[in-house]
Amino acid sequence: SQQGEEDPQALSIQEGENATMNCSYKTSINNLQWYRQNSGRGLVHLILIRSNEREKHSGRLRVTLDTSKKSSSLLITASRAADTASYFCATVLQSGGGFKTIFGAGTRLFVKA
Amino acid sequence: DARVTQTPRHKVTEMGQEVTMRCQPILGHNTVFWYRQTMMQGLELLAYFRNRAPLDDSGMPKDRFSAEMPDATLATLKIQPSEPRDSAVYFCASGLTGGGNQPQHFGDGTRLSIL
Repeated sequence: SQQGEEDPQALSIQEGENATMNCSYKTSINNLQWYRQNSGRGLVHLILIRSNEREKHSGRLRVTLDTSKKSSSLLITASRAADTASYFCATVLQSGGGFKTIFGAGTRLFVKA
Repeated sequence: DARVTQTPRHKVTEMGQEVTMRCQPILGHNTVFWYRQTMMQGLELLAYFRNRAPLDDSGMPKDRFSAEMPDATLATLKIQPSEPRDSAVYFCASGLTGGGNQPQHFGDGTRLSIL
């Protein structure tokens, strides 16, 4: 089963509204990252939150992390049509002598103009 | 902006043929990852290199897949022989080691179709 699972699987909103995506995971993590993927393109890193942080902001993005609940959320405020994409959470955990990154299944966001 | 470059962008071939996908990581990055993305399985890690040495290829079917880094500017992923179930988008990503607190930079992928 997936280490990171996002919900909802798909989200459709109007331009200007906020979009919230959630990610749950199973094991202890070093950090959690969010990525965006536009159709036909590779993933683009958005934001990283460390396991000892609770909230982080970057422009219109706000990420929270609750390690007691093993969950994170990504909030995009004042959404734009250009935010239409798939969003993935990636959990980074220690594995062997290094680190392993496991991506969730993603949330497909559609922002209507 | 520095980018990860993958070639070819698209590949269509018949089953049984050898497929080679190439990746040029960002200059100075010392970690390289190969992923496979499908609708059913999502994004799966196939192989992971650090300083050109393979650290983890447990996600890769060993009988037909092989991954190498002949030098710091080139990573390759080969499938021989290819099968229809290998049809997917294959991504390469590169990054820096740093206690795991480093983002991965993805190429735009190779879309592979095996007929």
